[in-house]
Amino acid sequence: GEDVEQSLFLSVREGDSSVINCTYTDSSSTYLYWYKQEPGAGLQLLTYIFSNMDMKQDQRLTVLLNKKDKHLSLRIADTQTGDSAIYFCAESPLTLGNTPLVFGKGTRLSVIA
Amino acid sequence: NAGVTQTPKFRVLKTGQSMTLLCAQDMNHEYMYWYRQDPGMGLRLIHYSVGEGTTAKGEVPDGYNVSRLKKQNFLLGLESAAPSQTSVYFCASSWFINSESSYNEQFFGPGTRLTVL
Repeated sequence: GEDVEQSLFLSVREGDSSVINCTYTDSSSTYLYWYKQEPGAGLQLLTYIFSNMDMKQDQRLTVLLNKKDKHLSLRIADTQTGDSAIYFCAESPLTLGNTPLVFGKGTRLSVIA
Repeated sequence: NAGVTQTPKFRVLKTGQSMTLLCAQDMNHEYMYWYRQDPGMGLRLIHYSVGEGTTAKGEVPDGYNVSRLKKQNFLLGLESAAPSQTSVYFCASSWFINSESSYNEQFFGPGTRLTVL
């Protein structure tokens, strides 16, 4: 079945780079997403990548996609305390009619000043 | 635009009580979703709707019912609350997704924190 796996915790020092990894199972997903959840709030789309791309860069964010290994990563350069949040990886498998998103359990990023 | 709003923000119920959570969106989105978020479990889909008058089951539908009588509203009902339904509930909405595009950005509400004693 569909499953998205990511590590639960990551701790980095302010100014360092953060890399959050995700593996997914359904190769039919045409888009893969990263959502950010700040404390006490709902999720917000941070960035996404289309499945025919290997990399997408958006200011401090870099998304890498390895379709062969079904591996997605999010790199945050120069991590700031405001980046402390939970980051969710998500896919939209066509096998589900591509309507629901399948989310990972989320990675809690803690930034140490 | 208010985006996606949820009512109430907090609620405490006793076992066996019933309640309805209201979700409203003002973006004219076709699709709406209800999720629950529990520690270590991530987000799990309860029910969703692909249009007014339609509903479908998600991953964890048992103990919940939903209705989508108006396009802008999606209601989640608990007929007889149980402690296992203590959770944070999120509503989300998205535009129509055609099979060619399949891009599905979901917009989330701020959540409802429900405690069942």
